Order: sequence, then structure tokens, then C-alpha cells
Amino acid sequence: SQQGEEDPQALSIQEGENATMNCSYKTSINNLQWYRQNSGRGLVHLILIRSNEREKHSGRLRVTLDTSKKSSSLLITASRAADTASYFCATAIDNQAGTALIFGKGTTLSVSS
Amino acid sequence: SAVISQKPSRDICQRGTSLTIQCQVDSQVTMMFWYRQQPGQSLTLIATANQGSEATYESGFVIDKFPISRPNLTFSTLTVSNMSPEDSSIYLCSVEGTGTTSTDTQYFGPGTRLTVL
Repeated sequence: SQQGEEDPQALSIQEGENATMNCSYKTSINNLQWYRQNSGRGLVHLILIRSNEREKHSGRLRVTLDTSKKSSSLLITASRAADTASYFCATAIDNQAGTALIFGKGTTLSVSS
Repeated sequence: SAVISQKPSRDICQRGTSLTIQCQVDSQVTMMFWYRQQPGQSLTLIATANQGSEATYESGFVIDKFPISRPNLTFSTLTVSNMSPEDSSIYLCSVEGTGTTSTDTQYFGPGTRLTVL
């Protein structure tokens, strides 16, 4: 069953604007990760935030995590056309095989120039 | 990070046939994962494959339909058996960490786009 739910499902912005995507989840997690997928290709890992962290930065990316609300946000600043992609949050939980990633439904971001 | 390749990159198959997807990693890894992404959907974990043991399948996925092999620390295969159009999806493998020490980040292969007619 899906753990994460992103919103919005789709987001259209102009180059230079900021894009914010939100993710909510249901159960306790070890960490939360954000991935990008271009046009149905493989996923690219963007950033990982652990359950004991509240905020993390990587270049133009800023991720926050609120474990009390079971939610996370991904902020992309000064967006570019190349940021056009689908973005997924994934929560890492323990299962019988070890650690599994449970993916949300994703946000489709379109950045126009 | 790990470099992962998958073969084939895409295929069109007839219903009732089977397709084996290969996943090769450029370093030894403890755990490998297989995911399915149905059209317009998110990723769903099929199974986790550790070298030297039976794969562990998630709810809704069974070994008869998706047999997995893991003969060594750099390679795995997923077979989609007795295919139907509902199996049309992108199948992705991923690995956790590099070397024999697992990390939390998973790295994904480019995916295999399967269309079943």
C-alpha cells in the first residue's frame, strides 16, 4: 500500500519561480527521500532526510521534515526548464527483508521558459 | 553511488509469454530491489533480493508470476511470467548502497519498459 501522498499532483510555474511540493505519510519512518524521474526513465536520487533531522539543503533544493505531522516538503528555488520532471517522495520503513522504500504518487512539475 | 544497467531497455511481448529482465551493478551490493511502475502511476516494490537466499515478495506479488534470481552480488534477474496486458509497466531495479555495507539511499537503473499486446 502506498505510504506517501504528494500534493499538488501537478504544478506549472515559470522559470525563476520557486516550486514547493508536499508529502504526507502514515507510519513511522527511518528516513524520507526525494527522487526525480524524467519522462518515465529511471529515478534520480535527490536528497535524503533522516527522521531526527528537520531541514536539509542541497544546492537549490531544500527539504523539511515534520515527524509530528508526518509530512515533508521539497522546495526547488529559482526553477529552470530542466527541472521539468515528476518528483516522488519515498519513505524508508523496516520490512521482513530489511528496509523498503514506499513511494508516493508523485508531483508532475512543468517549468516553462 | 552505483551505476546500474538493465536489459532490455524496452520490449513488446505477446500475452502468455515470459520476459526476463536483467539488472547489472558496477559494484557488489547486499540488497537489490525490483519495482513496477504502471502507466501514470508511482513505483510499487515487487520484491527484495539478497544474494544466496530466496527473494522476499511484497503483498500482491508471488514467485510464480515474478521469479527472481540473484546469483551473485552484482547481478539479478526478474522474470515476468505468463504475461497479460495488465503487466505493461516500467520495471526498475535498484540497489541499496555500495559494497557489502548497506546505506539508506537507493540507486535506480534506467528501467525496462514492457508492453504486452
